[in-house]
Amino acid sequence: GAGVSQSPSNKVTEKGKDVELRCDPISGHTALYWYRQSLGQGLEFLIYFQGNSAPDKSGLPSDRFSAERTGGSVSTLTIQRTQQEDSAVYLCASAGTFTDTQYFGPGTRLTVL
Amino acid sequence: KQEVTQIPAALSVPEGENLVLNCSFTDSAIYNLQWFRQDPGKGLTSLLLIQSSQREQTSGRLNASLDKSSGRSTLYIAASQPGDSATYLCAVKVPGNQFYFGTGTSLTVIP
Repeated sequence: GAGVSQSPSNKVTEKGKDVELRCDPISGHTALYWYRQSLGQGLEFLIYFQGNSAPDKSGLPSDRFSAERTGGSVSTLTIQRTQQEDSAVYLCASAGTFTDTQYFGPGTRLTVL
Repeated sequence: KQEVTQIPAALSVPEGENLVLNCSFTDSAIYNLQWFRQDPGKGLTSLLLIQSSQREQTSGRLNASLDKSSGRSTLYIAASQPGDSATYLCAVKVPGNQFYFGTGTSLTVIP
């Protein structure tokens, strides 16, 4: 079956531009997580969606970051006015309703010049 | 705030050796702990999940233990193979549904 997919796989942008990163979770998974992985650092939690509940946005580093999950499926992470420190790999993971086992996508490598 | 540490940061072993990776966390109020592997340029693959009430989990050549009171977990890999070369990360789930990850141990198994 299909796993978690993310697009684009790589994104190079100029400082100050907006970017959108997309995540397609495994069909039927109610939980969706976004993480950021910077070089030499662990995964940093960004945001968590669970079903129709209000998302947990406590990990978003600034108000330039936002995320949506439409119809309980696809999610988009938007970064406005990108800065060089936003350069990282952005990972998405989904999980089923009664399990914490997360299935990760391959990530989007974002480079801000 | 929960902090997760993994030691060593890198490890090289000859093929066939048994090895242990370590993970420690500062707050014992966790729901569970997971071990993942990450191959270069790829996402994470879940290996084992240990609930807070459990002491260990096994899958094939992998065995993970959890001592919640001391804030420690180990991942034991038996009879290592070159295909085991990857970065291994541990993560704890805390109240509030957040996961905290360690920075990983980069394992190289030398043929």
